[in-house]
Amino acid sequence: AQSVSQHNHHVILSEAASLELGCNYSYGGTVNLFWYVQYPGQHLQLLLKYFSGDPLVKGIKGFEAEFIKSKFSFNLRKPSVQWSDTAEYFCAVKITGGFKTIFGAGTRLFVKA
Amino acid sequence: DVKVTQSSRYLVKRTGEKVFLECVQDMDHENMFWYRQDPGLGLRLIYFSYDVKMKEKGDIPEGYSVSREKKERFSLILESASTNQTSMYLCASTKRGLRGQGHTIYFGEGSWLTVV
Repeated sequence: AQSVSQHNHHVILSEAASLELGCNYSYGGTVNLFWYVQYPGQHLQLLLKYFSGDPLVKGIKGFEAEFIKSKFSFNLRKPSVQWSDTAEYFCAVKITGGFKTIFGAGTRLFVKA
Repeated sequence: DVKVTQSSRYLVKRTGEKVFLECVQDMDHENMFWYRQDPGLGLRLIYFSYDVKMKEKGDIPEGYSVSREKKERFSLILESASTNQTSMYLCASTKRGLRGQGHTIYFGEGSWLTVV
């Protein structure tokens, strides 16, 4: 069965530190890839997505992610985090042609001011 | 902006009660979903619907049913609530993609259900 693995469940960083959140998926075919974010008390919202083309995608609030097909990975990065980035981040994968989007378990990021 | 509205933010129900969670979206999306969100488990798909009156089981459908009588409305039903169904329930919708491509999923704010 297809699955999505997020490497870290909890990450604590100081402001201005660099962030990388790992995401790997298990499926050999064509996929659409997403990162969603849930800020405290808010609903889940899209951070960025990859469908095709340039494997380095940029999203909102300075986030970016790189799709490495050979590694089945879609890691999320931000060069300098802010306190307001404190949130839970979910990687998600949709298999092209299917209906389901599969989510990872989530990574809770806490940024210390 | 797309809006996905869940009727109840917080509910407390007794074991054995029948529970209805309602969801409405206002962007004419074909696909609608119900997930539950639990700490450390992420989002798990309960049921989804790709058209009116159509429904498909997700990964954890046991103990749940759904209804989609109108395109904009997707209801989740717990026939007999149990304590292990205490969770956050998220409704979501998305357009049907061309050639099966994905689209952004839009989520509601969630319904916190506690079964006592």
